[in-house]
Amino acid sequence: EAGVVQSPRYKIIEKKQPVAFWCNPISGHNTLYWYRQNLGQGPELLIRYENEEAVDDSQLPKDRFSAERLKGVDSTLKIQPAELGDSAVYLCASSLRGQASNEQFFGPGTRLTVL
Amino acid sequence: AQKITQTQPGMFVQEKEAVTLDCTYDTSDPSYGLFWYKQPSSGEMIFLIYQGSYDQQNATEGRYSLNFQKARKSANLVISASQLGDSAMYFCAMREATGGSYIPTFGRGTSLIVHP
Repeated sequence: EAGVVQSPRYKIIEKKQPVAFWCNPISGHNTLYWYRQNLGQGPELLIRYENEEAVDDSQLPKDRFSAERLKGVDSTLKIQPAELGDSAVYLCASSLRGQASNEQFFGPGTRLTVL
Repeated sequence: AQKITQTQPGMFVQEKEAVTLDCTYDTSDPSYGLFWYKQPSSGEMIFLIYQGSYDQQNATEGRYSLNFQKARKSANLVISASQLGDSAMYFCAMREATGGSYIPTFGRGTSLIVHP
């Protein structure tokens, strides 16, 4: 069974440029998470989807960040325009819906560097 | 207030010894789950073990066990018989059941180095 797929693995851009990250969760997983992990810290939730509905997005900086999961499967996270402080690893995870015990399966992450 | 506190930024252990990684949490929700993840230098987060707030017994998964002390709001990870491949960052996380949603929160992590 394929795991969570993310692309690209690495991205270097200049500030004020747009950038997009893609995630394909494990087949059958209704819940999808986007996290940001700054250097030396734990992941911080940006947004959580249940199928195509964004149910937790209070941590998403909505002035520059947007996300979508149109068909309830794969998802895209966009930053426009990027700032220096956006340099981080962006992690996508998925899980089965509805149970607190359901572990999240993480993708390899996208390491973003903003110059 | 921090929901998850990992007070040990770094830990060293000798190969084959046991090590305990500390985690305390803060929640007023009676229903929550506690997780430990391992993050090697390659970057992927690997699930290790889960403990539910209503579980009576401490969770165990192979060499990993979770020392769950509910009254103290403590969920320490114990790794027995450490191996060189255990060297990694370890994150404690909590998922609270709030209004039907499960909001995950991670600690800052503990770096574990296993030396021969």
